[in-house]
Amino acid sequence: QVQLVQSGAEVKKPGASVKVSCKASGYTFTNYYVSWVRQAPGQGLEWMGWISPYNDNTNYAQKLQGRVTMTTDTSTSTAYMELRSLRSDDTAVYYCARVAYCSGGNCHGDYWGQGTLVTVSS
Amino acid sequence: DIVMTQTPLSSPVTLGQPASISCRSSQSLVHSDGNAYLSWLQQRPGQPPRLLIYKISNRFSGVPDRFSGSGAGTDFTLKISRVEAEDVGVYYCMQATQFPWTFGQGTKVEIK
Repeated sequence: QVQLVQSGAEVKKPGASVKVSCKASGYTFTNYYVSWVRQAPGQGLEWMGWISPYNDNTNYAQKLQGRVTMTTDTSTSTAYMELRSLRSDDTAVYYCARVAYCSGGNCHGDYWGQGTLVTVSS
Repeated sequence: DIVMTQTPLSSPVTLGQPASISCRSSQSLVHSDGNAYLSWLQQRPGQPPRLLIYKISNRFSGVPDRFSGSGAGTDFTLKISRVEAEDVGVYYCMQATQFPWTFGQGTKVEIK
């Protein structure tokens, strides 16, 4: 069965960086994009971007450009999301999701990781 | 970016009764390929989001048939035919027709 297992909670100081991992199993890793979505405490969902494990093609949300980097390691079927220059409003649960492909392109996240809480506090 | 607006934001429902959530997009979600990439996600308390419906009306694997999606263009609806206790949570619509993906604010379904 498809599973996405994320790394554990992190506490970081403002200005630091965090790197969250997402290990995939149960499917061919290189056949599907991986997307990252975050959720601030008590808030809704915010799409951050996606990456193709096949060719490292990425697309990032404009507001995070320059601070976020998504990578993959195909030898371990793991996707990574690194966020730099952390601020207090980056405090959120970060989710990875496998992206289904439809004729029009990437069309929805069909399987989701359990989430990783990142707390930014001095 | 396409703005997704859900109503209501809160929906108290009696067990066994139906529930309905609306989602309106600021632009048509019809893609150049003729499909509308509108999906619905369920988030139970303390859980990650779970895909329920994709491309307006297609139930994802394992989703009970009491959940159904409908709509076209800019107006979409998620219906639960008979609410069960396990349906409590927040429901989000999401569009993937146009980059970037955007989500509705969420609708909280709770039991009266």
